[in-house]
Amino acid sequence: GDSVTQMEGPVTLSEEAFLTINCTYTATGYPSLFWYVQYPGEGLQLLLKATKADDKGSNKGFEATYRKETTSFHLEKGSVQVSDSAVYFCALSSNAGGTSYGKLTFGQGTILTVHP
Amino acid sequence: KAGVTQTPRYLIKTRGQQVTLSCSPISGHRSVSWYQQTPGQGLQFLFEYFSETQRNKGNFPGRFSGRQFSNSRSEMNVSTLELGDSALYLCASSLGWGELNTEAFFGQGTRLTVV
Repeated sequence: GDSVTQMEGPVTLSEEAFLTINCTYTATGYPSLFWYVQYPGEGLQLLLKATKADDKGSNKGFEATYRKETTSFHLEKGSVQVSDSAVYFCALSSNAGGTSYGKLTFGQGTILTVHP
Repeated sequence: KAGVTQTPRYLIKTRGQQVTLSCSPISGHRSVSWYQQTPGQGLQFLFEYFSETQRNKGNFPGRFSGRQFSNSRSEMNVSTLELGDSALYLCASSLGWGELNTEAFFGQGTRLTVV
């Protein structure tokens, strides 16, 4: 079945440091890939997405490129801020066999803490 | 435009009881999915509804059920509650079913504690 593996956390960085959170996936067909962010006490917010190979999703300074050859979708940001502290989830949605995009398979989440 | 609304936000129940959680999707959205979030298991898919029909179901026991109404609002029910059912239950709405590039918008969740 489909699965998503994220790098082990938590990740602690100083403000303005470079961020990478690794994400690899296993899926049938051609999945869409997402990064969601969860702030304390809140639900999930979509950060960025990519729907086909070599697509780059970007938002708020975060980027991720859909790499089919390495089945990866690593999240990067050049300069993190304290306000980026949150839990980040990599997820996929597969339409193999007509399955809808409503079913998301999530990674385990990575806690990011950014210190001033 | 109002977001996804889940009620109640917090709930405390006793083992053996049953509970019903509610989700109102974004206006115009017809697909609703439910997820369970726990520290040990992470985010797990429960089920998805579209046009009042369950389209997908995750690997949860039959104690977990749901339904969707004609106005796209959805409820999920857990019967005979167990301590392990304590979790954050998240609802997500999306525009349609089986559509390319659709994205899911999440509510703030219902925090269920079983004592």
